[in-house]
Amino acid sequence: EVQLVESGGALVQPGGSLRLSCATSGFTFSRYWMYWVRQAPQKGLEWVANIKQDGSQKYYADSVKGRFTISRDNAKNSLYLQMNSLRADDTAVYYCTRHLWGDFWGRGTLVTVSS
Amino acid sequence: IQLTQSPSSLSASVGDRVTITCRASQGISNYLAWYQQKPGKAPKLLIYAASILQTGVPSRFSGSGSGTDFTLTISSLQPEDFATYYCRQLNSYPHTFGQGTKLEIK
Repeated sequence: EVQLVESGGALVQPGGSLRLSCATSGFTFSRYWMYWVRQAPQKGLEWVANIKQDGSQKYYADSVKGRFTISRDNAKNSLYLQMNSLRADDTAVYYCTRHLWGDFWGRGTLVTVSS
Repeated sequence: IQLTQSPSSLSASVGDRVTITCRASQGISNYLAWYQQKPGKAPKLLIYAASILQTGVPSRFSGSGSGTDFTLTISSLQPEDFATYYCRQLNSYPHTFGQGTKLEIK
C-alpha cells in the first residue's frame, strides 16, 4: 500500500524556519518525481515545488523561490522541504504528492506562521 | 497559465448530471488533471491526461477536452460526490490549479 506521511508542521514566528518531511512507503520512491502542494485555510490549492527522481532538477513557485528548498533522500524514501524566512502567507496545510499527476497524497501537515 | 473554473459553486440533486468546465489561458495540450477534495481531507485524483480515469474512480466520472477547454462530467450524482473539485495544469511551470468548484446538495 502506497503511503505518504508528512511531518514537521508547527507554529513558527515570521522570519523563522521549518523543515517538513514526507516519509513514503509501498512504492519505489526513487522512480518518481515528487511534489509539495499547499492549501491556505479556506483557500484553494497551490503548487509549491517539485523534484526529479535523482534530485538533479528542482522547480519552485515564484512565491517561495529563494526561501524554500526541496530535497530528497532516496535511501530513506523521504522528501523534504526546508522553509526559511517564513511569512504569514505561508500559513497552510502542506501536502506531499507523488508523480506528475498527483496519484497519491499524504494527509498534510499544518504550518502556521504567526507572532 | 491561468485556469478558470466555472461555475465556482453549484447546487445539484442526487441523480443529476453535472458538468464543470476549466478554461486555460493558453493551450496546455492534454496536461490536465481533475481532483476531488472533501473537507479536512487531501485531494483525490479523479482524471489525468484530460480524459483518463484514475484506477478505482467510479465510471460516472469522465473528462474531456484538449488545448484550452476541458470538462469534468459526473453522469449521475451520488451523495458521496458532494465536494470541491479542482482542475490542474501540468503543461508548463508554474503548475497551476483552478480556483475550485464547490458542489453542494440542492
